[in-house]
Amino acid sequence: GAGVSQTPSNKVTEKGKYVELRCDPISGHTALYWYRQSLGQGPEFLIYFQGTGAADDSGLPNDRFFAVRPEGSVSTLKIQRTERGDSAVYLCASSAGLAGDGGHTDTQYFGPGTRLTVL
Amino acid sequence: GDSVTQMEGPVTLSEEAFLTINCTYTATGYPSLFWYVQYPGEGLQLLLKATKADDKGSNKGFEATYRKETTSFHLEKGSVQVSDSAVYFCALRKASGGYQKVTFGTGTKLQVIP
Repeated sequence: GAGVSQTPSNKVTEKGKYVELRCDPISGHTALYWYRQSLGQGPEFLIYFQGTGAADDSGLPNDRFFAVRPEGSVSTLKIQRTERGDSAVYLCASSAGLAGDGGHTDTQYFGPGTRLTVL
Repeated sequence: GDSVTQMEGPVTLSEEAFLTINCTYTATGYPSLFWYVQYPGEGLQLLLKATKADDKGSNKGFEATYRKETTSFHLEKGSVQVSDSAVYFCALRKASGGYQKVTFGTGTKLQVIP
């Protein structure tokens, strides 16, 4: 079946502009995560949704970053007044959201990412 | 806070050589441990995992054992192939309370030459 998809695959923007990055999770997955991967680094957690609500947004670096998931499926990561330091690959992952066993069996499936370049 | 430390790359091996990529972690509680792989031009894929001490995760000839006493989860493969060339990430996730945030290491690039 279809995996996690992200659009666009590449986004080039100018400093100060606003961007939106989209994530389509695996159908039926209630949990959705955003990560940011800078060059030569591992992915860093940004935000976690369980259903429509952001259960943990502690990884968002500042108030220029915001994410929504209004219907509990597709999510959009929004970045205002972009800065050159925001350049990175933004990864989305989804999981079934199984919590009955403390999440032991709840595997996260990653999308291919959106490469954001801020000039 | 929680952290994962893995050996720096790149690691270059000849085909059929033995592979070890070291990974150690720092975390409170009882995390689950993972190895993810990122092939060129592709997204992150779960390679293997272990959810409690002494568990061994294995997949595609790779294996790693959850060692609580040394807080380690080293990745091994007995005979690597050119197709194993990729970036490998060690990661942890807390096992209790439904806490879902995954903490990744910085990645180790493996290049296997024929």
